[in-house]
Amino acid sequence: DVKVTQSSRYLVKRTGEKVFLECVQDMDHENMFWYRQDPGLGLRLIYFSYDVKMKEKGDIPEGYSVSREKKERFSLILESASTNQTSMYLCASSSPQGTQYFGPGTRLTVL
Amino acid sequence: AQSVTQLDSQVPVFEEAPVELRCNYSSSVSVYLFWYVQYPNQGLQLLLKYLSGSTLVESINGFEAEFNKSQTSFHLRKPSVHISDTAEYFCAVSDPSNQFYFGTGTSLTVIP
Repeated sequence: DVKVTQSSRYLVKRTGEKVFLECVQDMDHENMFWYRQDPGLGLRLIYFSYDVKMKEKGDIPEGYSVSREKKERFSLILESASTNQTSMYLCASSSPQGTQYFGPGTRLTVL
Repeated sequence: AQSVTQLDSQVPVFEEAPVELRCNYSSSVSVYLFWYVQYPNQGLQLLLKYLSGSTLVESINGFEAEFNKSQTSFHLRKPSVHISDTAEYFCAVSDPSNQFYFGTGTSLTVIP
């Protein structure tokens, strides 16, 4: 079974802090994704990566950056957290056929 | 780009009744189709998928979905729901370039 893990299930940060969300997958998938999920808006793609050190902007990249130094790990960075970044963050990796597998999510609260 | 429409944002249904969650997508080009389920405060779990072959696909917990190319639909059905089926359900489509598109979700509430 594919396993995607995220470093934290719940996180509380203060406005202006730098926040790191880590994601690790164990299936040697090339593609990895970061989404945020908000009520009524569904899932929105922040960034994705199709290879080590490669990244592409998704639909809502503003205020975020990413890092992919190793194939299994994809990190989402909030350079200066703001209250409007309070959300559920979901990481996924995808198989060659395109099936996406998700981690358990990180619920981030920015005060 | 694809768009995925889940027409019902909330579906309440009594326990042991049948349910259908509707999903339509915008394009008739070759696509892969997925249903995911999300329980409270958890990530999305793959429920079932259509890649090719039989247009009727089934999950291990009694859900099924049928790919209808002419109607560009992939509705999810279950003949008899349980309390444990209460969750958010997302329809998704991937296109030949492996771009992934999600619907906005349907909240299924099973009433005892």
